[in-house]
Amino acid sequence: GENVEQHPSTLSVQEGDSAVIKCTYSDSASNYFPWYKQELGKRPQLIIDIRSNVGEKKDQRIAVTLNKTAKHFSLHITETQPEDSAVYFCAARPLWGNKLVFGAGTILRVKS
Amino acid sequence: DADVTQTPRNRITKTGKRIMLECSQTKGHDRMYWYRQDPGLGLRLIYYSFDVKDINKGEISDGYSVSRQAQAKFSLSLESAIPNQTALYFCATSAGADTQYFGPGTRLTVL
Repeated sequence: GENVEQHPSTLSVQEGDSAVIKCTYSDSASNYFPWYKQELGKRPQLIIDIRSNVGEKKDQRIAVTLNKTAKHFSLHITETQPEDSAVYFCAARPLWGNKLVFGAGTILRVKS
Repeated sequence: DADVTQTPRNRITKTGKRIMLECSQTKGHDRMYWYRQDPGLGLRLIYYSFDVKDINKGEISDGYSVSRQAQAKFSLSLESAIPNQTALYFCATSAGADTQYFGPGTRLTVL
């Protein structure tokens, strides 16, 4: 089955700097890759997603890139702000599966 | 997302007790899921259901059972709670295999 690894487990950046979180997946048939943000005490919420027919997707300060050959995808946050501090989860869904498989999460701290 | 609700939000129980966590949604989604969240382990799937007559085990179903009473309701039961089931539990819904929307979570403590 699908296995998703996420790195780093914690990341501290200075306000205004960029943050990058990387995930690797094992099932080459996976075709959908969402990213969720979970603020302290809150529920995970989708912030951006990408499908396997696209290499990059942007939404304001957030972007996701996908490298199907290497089987990895990354979340890029530019001009980080204190409100970006949260736990971020990546996930992958195999083409023939119906479930999301989540990474272990990255704690992002933005220092002001 | 206020369209997915969970009850109770917090629960403290004792080892050996039976407990039920409930999830309701008004989004009209066909698929519902139960996840468990532990620090450093991410979100792990316990059970999922694609419609009222469809129930499937996830990666960590041992010690849990579920019931899909209606399209909008999906309950998770711990038949005999044990301390290592102390965790944060999330219900989620989706329309087909698309985006999953999470409920607010239930924090369960088993003493």
